[in-house]
Amino acid sequence: GAGVSQSPSNKVTEKGKDVELRCDPISGHTALYWYRQSLGQGLEFLIYFQGNSAPDKSGLPSDRFSAERTGGSVSTLTIQRTQQEDSAVYLCASSWGGTVLYGYTFGSGTRLTVV
Amino acid sequence: EDKVVQSPLSLVVHEGDTVTLNCSYEVTNFRSLLWYKQEKKAPTFLFMLTSSGIEKKSGRLSSILDKKELSSILNITATQTGDSAIYLCAVGAPGSNYKLTFGKGTLLTVNP
Repeated sequence: GAGVSQSPSNKVTEKGKDVELRCDPISGHTALYWYRQSLGQGLEFLIYFQGNSAPDKSGLPSDRFSAERTGGSVSTLTIQRTQQEDSAVYLCASSWGGTVLYGYTFGSGTRLTVV
Repeated sequence: EDKVVQSPLSLVVHEGDTVTLNCSYEVTNFRSLLWYKQEKKAPTFLFMLTSSGIEKKSGRLSSILDKKELSSILNITATQTGDSAIYLCAVGAPGSNYKLTFGKGTLLTVNP
């Protein structure tokens, strides 16, 4: 596609429910990133996928968070048993190569609100 | 711990003013510094500065990297209401060629 596509754009969920956030990167981009932006905070790295390599999951805040990338393209970020502190904007980005020197292209994000 | 600090946190100016946004960093093995503009939700890339490219300019926007002072500035001249946004600074995290550490951003409001 022309840009990084994320869905849904907004999600309101009840505490304790599971949610799935989807990211469709730019066609041909081999690297995919998830970041989280909480209110008043900078973007926080969550996870990185590059080609067929094992993902870097070092930023995932707890074992309630998981992500997968199927076929080297679409990625899904899953949050189980959501908590109010999970409320944030979840941003996905992709890049042509697995390095910041190629720059990131971000999607418009999913605003998650846990009530 | 790596740190990226932006100042001011927020700024209100009138159209036509010139603004300077600041970013200072404390990271080991500096590789690159990036500036993004965030309107609504999606950050859009503005500039990347590295040891080999310490000054960038695009239209009314320009940025300089000062490796000695571990800082960067983003200048916007003749501001317009469309410049209103959050400006984010990020540096490449040490030990990683793909991870970015972001500052909290500067909220710029340009009034007509």
